Amino acid sequence: QSALTQPASVSGSPGQSITISCTGTSSDVGGYNYVSWYQLHPGKAPKLLISEVSNRPSGVSNRFSGSKSGYTASLTISGLQAEDEADYYCSSYTSSSPYVFGTGTKVTVL
Amino acid sequence: EVQLVESGGGLVKPGGSLRLSCAASGFIFSNAWMNWVRQAPGKGLEWVGRIKSYAVGGAIDYAAPVKGRFTISRDDSKNMLYLQVNSLKTEDTAVYYCTTSGCSDGTCFSNWGQGTLVTVSS
Repeated sequence: QSALTQPASVSGSPGQSITISCTGTSSDVGGYNYVSWYQLHPGKAPKLLISEVSNRPSGVSNRFSGSKSGYTASLTISGLQAEDEADYYCSSYTSSSPYVFGTGTKVTVL
Repeated sequence: EVQLVESGGGLVKPGGSLRLSCAASGFIFSNAWMNWVRQAPGKGLEWVGRIKSYAVGGAIDYAAPVKGRFTISRDDSKNMLYLQVNSLKTEDTAVYYCTTSGCSDGTCFSNWGQGTLVTVSS
């Protein structure tokens, strides 16, 4: 099972919006509405941001939103803040192995 | 508050073994499906394996790279999750995270621990 494809890095200025893509195949992203997104800060426990493409768990800022079109899912961070600087990973349910992660994206706040 | 605390990591030689533990609290552990996810230094996240609750049969699934070498188990009486790692290879060097499965049919990783580092080196 190959990892889902994400851009290695995305950057933006405070207050701007950025979008991170996550591209898979018909066996994962394209076949199921089970894409989730995670935020990783160094030394901290990873955090679930978005589940099932666009659901935001309780306590997650509404600046984070998710969507999907075809084989590509996207995470949008609006009103970018310094605290958003972190690594972000998508994940999808798959028809072969239960789960596959994306390659990861480093977000830099300029 | 959900808490997951991993332990048991360390430095081990290639071919060696370790048992990782995850202490869970703040939720009904016996109902939870649990996973191990790892991250090698400078690399991305990789799902390692999952154990379902005994209420639905306790099935265990593993990622291909660890099948036959790693064993997941749970002790619901102690709220503990375990990962026995055998025949370790240098490429198993990673931070190992304990996570809960959540969302519909366990399709997301709802809660994570802070991880425990396993270093495989001679």
